[in-house]
Amino acid sequence: KNQVEQSPQSLIILEGKNCTLQCNYTVSPFSNLRWYKQDTGRGPVSLTIMTFSENTKSNGRYTATLDADTKQSSLHITASQLSDSASYICVVSLYNAGNMLTFGGGTRLMVKP
Amino acid sequence: DTEVTQTPKHLVMGMTNKKSLKCEQHMGHRAMYWYKQKAKKPPELMFVYSYEKLSINESVPSRFSPECPNSSLLNLHLHALQPEDSALYLCASSQKRGGGGTDTQYFGPGTRLTVL
Repeated sequence: KNQVEQSPQSLIILEGKNCTLQCNYTVSPFSNLRWYKQDTGRGPVSLTIMTFSENTKSNGRYTATLDADTKQSSLHITASQLSDSASYICVVSLYNAGNMLTFGGGTRLMVKP
Repeated sequence: DTEVTQTPKHLVMGMTNKKSLKCEQHMGHRAMYWYKQKAKKPPELMFVYSYEKLSINESVPSRFSPECPNSSLLNLHLHALQPEDSALYLCASSQKRGGGGTDTQYFGPGTRLTVL
């Protein structure tokens, strides 16, 4: 069964600190992996997208890594800000499956002053 | 412009009402999606339209009826809903329903639906 699992489920950090979120997947055949940020009550916003051949992708203070061999990805947030408080969702798409997405359960991040 | 718009932002309806959710994109995308999201859960796919034709219906009850009038618009007609249908309804679009590469689904802000 194609699954995407994220850890931790929730995380509290102080403003200015760094953090790393984890994503493990069993989706096969793999097409790409995306990280989305979702503010409460809002739609998800794409942060990064990586295909099989990419190991790292950055978007400002967000850096995603992908190890396609171990089927693991991480999202590193540097110098966190209060506005980073949100849910971060790891999403994997199947190759040639009509762009259908398999969603992880998300990590709820709270950044405190 | 990478925006997907949805109206209304909030909707409260009774179980006997008929209402519609609307979604619009002007990115030239040919695939559009409806998702349902309950609190603290990931989005669940409901319907997929590809080139204005319904291509996927994830066994959604008939009280939800999608419609794609043209390539930019997607509607979700609601009738005789149940309280458990209360959720955030998300619309998304992508260039095509072909999978792979860097084709990204862009999500709208959602409609918060409450069924009394």
